Amino acid sequence: SQQGEEDPQALSIQEGENATMNCSYKTSINNLQWYRQNSGRGLVHLILIRSNEREKHSGRLRVTLDTSKKSSSLLITASRAADTASYFCATDAYSGGGADGLTFGKGTHLIIQP
Amino acid sequence: DGGITQSPKYLFRKEGQNVTLSCEQNLNHDAMYWYRQDPGQGLRLIYYSQIVNDFQKGDIAEGYSVSREKKESFPLTVTSAQKNPTAFYLCASRGGGLRVNTEAFFGQGTRLTVV
Repeated sequence: SQQGEEDPQALSIQEGENATMNCSYKTSINNLQWYRQNSGRGLVHLILIRSNEREKHSGRLRVTLDTSKKSSSLLITASRAADTASYFCATDAYSGGGADGLTFGKGTHLIIQP
Repeated sequence: DGGITQSPKYLFRKEGQNVTLSCEQNLNHDAMYWYRQDPGQGLRLIYYSQIVNDFQKGDIAEGYSVSREKKESFPLTVTSAQKNPTAFYLCASRGGGLRVNTEAFFGQGTRLTVV
């Protein structure tokens, strides 16, 4: 079952603007991760935020996590044409038996207009 | 270079045939995963393995089979029982076992088409 749901499904902005994507999930998690996928390629890990963290930064990326609302957001600042890709959130709900796998949402397709 | 390699990149299958997708990693990761991605959709978990000679079904295991005879390798067989196999298949690995809070590393995917 897909736990994470990204919003919006698609987003088109001008180069230089900030892009914000949201993710909602349903059950308790150990961490939440964001991945990027260029068309027809594999996924690349961007950032991981633990359930006891509220905000994390990595370069132009800023991720927030609100476990009370079961939601997360990914902010990309000063967007570039090369940021055009699909972005997925993935929840990690370790159940005690080992690495059970990440559960992915359907993604947000981001288009940066030059 | 360390990484995870999937082959082939493109695969065509006739109806009724079994095909096997290869996934190899040299990251010394315990856990490996197979996901299926349909156009415009997210990833759905097919099978995963936390340790050699052990694997578990994911959300959509019907019509698929796997093996984990070596730590480095986790091949996926798409059997003739899979009614709609045309999709993009992604393999991933990560440091697993009892460790959590680790990222997954993905291969570049295999695009399977039934002809």
